[in-house]
Amino acid sequence: EAEVAQSPRYKITEKSQAVAFWCDPISGHATLYWYRQILGQGPELLVQFQDESVVDDSQLPKDRFSAERLKGVDSTLKIQPAELGDSAMYLCASSLESGISYEQYFGPGTRLTVT
Amino acid sequence: AQSVAQPEDQVNVAEGNPLTVKCTYSVSGNPYLFWYVQYPNRGLQFLLKYITGDNLVKGSYGFEAEFNKSQTSFHLKKPSALVSDSALYFCAVRGPTSGTYKYIFGTGTRLKVLA
Repeated sequence: EAEVAQSPRYKITEKSQAVAFWCDPISGHATLYWYRQILGQGPELLVQFQDESVVDDSQLPKDRFSAERLKGVDSTLKIQPAELGDSAMYLCASSLESGISYEQYFGPGTRLTVT
Repeated sequence: AQSVAQPEDQVNVAEGNPLTVKCTYSVSGNPYLFWYVQYPNRGLQFLLKYITGDNLVKGSYGFEAEFNKSQTSFHLKKPSALVSDSALYFCAVRGPTSGTYKYIFGTGTRLKVLA
């Protein structure tokens, strides 16, 4: 069964350092999402791509966060500089967004700890 | 504006009893509705969806949900709960219009099934 891949699974970094997360969606899924999830809370959308274009990044803290999906396949989310409040789970998801297939498929996530 | 509400932070149910996890929504037009489940230290897994058609939809692991347009609800149900159903459940809503929609997740309901 096809899965969304994410790496690394865990990341510990010091504040003010740069950190990057990678996501490879399910093949053929044009829509890719990055979410931030605080423990026990619902996912918060950071950025949504349709192919290589950003559809929604209204909740992305653009002074320190950036995201790209250069060839419309895999994607990278970067934080520079990291702050203590960025400690969270970062989830990537993809969806087909056609016909009746609008459900999202999530990767295992990257747990970020900023010290 | 779109919104989704899960009024219960936690639901406790005895094994073998029926369970219900509540969800209400607000969206312009006809909604697309979803339930996802999250087990500890895992990403979210898709359970079921309502896009169109029959108001009662069936999904994975014996779960079902009923779309009620007049009450703007999409409650998750299972006739007989298992201890292994214990997890965090999220309702999500998406507006139907491509390009102008947002995918909104609820705050989550922790289901605890007691042996």
